[in-house]
Amino acid sequence: AQTVTQSQPEMSVQEAETVTLSCTYDTSESDYYLFWYKQPPSRQMILVIRQEAYKQQNATENRFSVNFQKAAKSFSLKISDSQLGDAAMYFCAYTPNAGGTSYGKLTFGQGTILTVHP
Amino acid sequence: NAGVTQTPKFQVLKTGQSMTLQCAQDMNHNSMYWYRQDPGMGLRLIYYSASEGTTDKGEVPNGYNVSRLNKREFSLRLESAAPSQTSVYFCASSEKKLAGPSSYEQYFGPGTRLTVT
Repeated sequence: AQTVTQSQPEMSVQEAETVTLSCTYDTSESDYYLFWYKQPPSRQMILVIRQEAYKQQNATENRFSVNFQKAAKSFSLKISDSQLGDAAMYFCAYTPNAGGTSYGKLTFGQGTILTVHP
Repeated sequence: NAGVTQTPKFQVLKTGQSMTLQCAQDMNHNSMYWYRQDPGMGLRLIYYSASEGTTDKGEVPNGYNVSRLNKREFSLRLESAAPSQTSVYFCASSEKKLAGPSSYEQYFGPGTRLTVT
């Protein structure tokens, strides 16, 4: 069974600084997708960024970027120029692309609470 | 588009009571999912429906039943609520795309906070 581990229950960063959230996963699949979701106090789950395992290039979305290390099964999220609105719980998630039979079922990590200090 | 909607937003039940959580999506997605979120455990899949007319168990299905009423709606039923089912419940949907942009991207509802006393 696939597992996703976020080893940092809490992280903090000063506004305008950079922070990196860690995620590791375990799978025997070679083709899969990885995601970072943000959950602010409103509870709404918001997709931040996605990475396709067969793409070597790291995904970026504005101030958010990932460091995808397939061999190490590591998928960290870097937030640059942190803003107060970035304060939230962040979840790493995984789904295999097993010919479509996985039907997109996500396996989530435990989450990391990010605090942004002004 | 409303996206994914869930009702109710909050609910308090007594042990042994039953209730149904409702979920609907207006994005014409094939796949729908129910997750529960507990502190320190992330989200865990309860049941999913790959397409209209099919449902399957996820990681934590015990104590729950689901119905895929039509392509839009996917409900979750607690037949006899237990305190261990106190949680936040999320419904999500996705289009079944095997490649390309938005592959497997799931869209979530606002969640239902359920307390069982």
